[in-house]
Amino acid sequence: KQEVTQIPAALSVPEGENLVLNCSFTDSAIYNLQWFRQDPGKGLTSLLLIQSSQREQTSGRLNASLDKSSGRSTLYIAASQPGDSATYLCAVEGMSGSEKLVFGKGTKLTVNP
Amino acid sequence: NAGVTQTPKFRILKIGQSMTLQCAQDMNHNYMYWYRQDPGMGLKLIYYSVGAGITDKGEVPNGYNVSRSTTEDFPLRLELAAPSQTSVYFCASSSLDVAGDTDTQYFGPGTRLTVL
Repeated sequence: KQEVTQIPAALSVPEGENLVLNCSFTDSAIYNLQWFRQDPGKGLTSLLLIQSSQREQTSGRLNASLDKSSGRSTLYIAASQPGDSATYLCAVEGMSGSEKLVFGKGTKLTVNP
Repeated sequence: NAGVTQTPKFRILKIGQSMTLQCAQDMNHNYMYWYRQDPGMGLKLIYYSVGAGITDKGEVPNGYNVSRSTTEDFPLRLELAAPSQTSVYFCASSSLDVAGDTDTQYFGPGTRLTVL
């Protein structure tokens, strides 16, 4: 059964710092890996999707990498801003029918002005 | 486009009552999903559908039922509500990208359900 782990569970940084969020998964047989952002009391917003054949994706100040063989992904946020404060969720789409998306518990990021 | 819409936003049920959570999308997506999110936890898949008339179980389907009679709508039915079903429920939809791979999922704002 696929398990997704995110470390750290919470992170507090000063504004302007570059930071890395980590995600690991136990079964490397995946279709894709996605990073989402969730603001308090809101739904999820997709940030980046990396297909299993890709190594990384970039969007603005965000860069996500995927190392399928080691079961790891990182989300790099450059020049963090207070508006980046949110919970970041990693999810993998597995190849079995019930594992459409398996989520980690998230990393709660606080960027202090 | 409204995207993915969910109703109601909040609901309190008594044990044993039943209700239907509504979900609709206007993006003509074939794939639709229901998740639940418990406090401090990630999302868990309840049911999903790959098209009208086709549904399948996810990781935590017990106590729930779904139907998909149209591409747009994917209601989730709770029969005999239990306190363990207190959670936030999210509906999502997706399609395939130009390469035929699963594309990103778009989420609704969620329904916060409390069972007392």
